[in-house]
Amino acid sequence: GNSVTQMEGPVTLSEEAFLTINCTYTATGYPSLFWYVQYPGEGLQLLLKATKADDKGSNKGFEATYRKETTSFHLEKGSVQVSDSAVYFCALSVGESNYQLIWGAGTKLIIKP
Amino acid sequence: DGGITQSPKYLFRKEGQNVTLSCEQNLNHDAMYWYRQDPGQGLRLIYYSQIVNDFQKGDIAEGYSVSREKKESFPLTVTSAQKNPTAFYLCASETSGSYNEQFFGPGTRLTVL
Repeated sequence: GNSVTQMEGPVTLSEEAFLTINCTYTATGYPSLFWYVQYPGEGLQLLLKATKADDKGSNKGFEATYRKETTSFHLEKGSVQVSDSAVYFCALSVGESNYQLIWGAGTKLIIKP
Repeated sequence: DGGITQSPKYLFRKEGQNVTLSCEQNLNHDAMYWYRQDPGQGLRLIYYSQIVNDFQKGDIAEGYSVSREKKESFPLTVTSAQKNPTAFYLCASETSGSYNEQFFGPGTRLTVL
C-alpha cells in the first residue's frame, strides 16, 4: 500500500543552521509529493510540491527534490530562522483522480536563537 | 479574500452531547475533507466529499457524521458515540485537477469536559 515515513522529531537547531527533514515513501503508480507546514495553533499550509520525478519544489528558502530512485522527498533549508519553528508534514497522492492524501506523522522543528 | 473558515475556534462539550463543527469555503472547490489531529500525531481522515450531496467515510468515521448540501459548506457532527472526541479538527478543500493540493482552515479545538 501507499505510505509516508518521516524522521521523528523534535528536531532542534540553532538559528542559521542547515536543515534536513527526511521523508521517504512507498507508492503504487506515480505519486505527487507535498510538504505542508503547521504553525502553532493553526491549520496546515502547503509549503511546496513536486508532481514528477526529478522535480524540485521550492518556497520561502525551503527545497525538496522528488527522487524516484530512492523514493525520497527530503526537505532542506540552508539557514533556518526562529520563525521556521513549526511542524512539517510530508504527504503523497497517487493519481489526479484520487482525492486522498497519504500523510506522514509530522516532524516538529524547534529553532533556538 | 478566498479561503476556508472554521468555527468556533474552541469548543467545549459535555459527555453525551452532540456538537457540530462548521466549515465554509469560498474557493469554489469541489472536494472537502475533515481530519482529526491528536497531540504529536499526524492527520487522520474522518470524512470527505467530492461533490455536493455525496460523501465517503475516511479511516476513522465511527462516531462522526457529515452533510454536504451546499458546495460551500461541509459541517461535521461529533456524536455521543465518539468515545474520545477531544482533539483538533481540521477542514480542508481542494479543486479537481490540482494534484491534491489541499487548502486548510484554521481548525477547531474540541474539548470534552
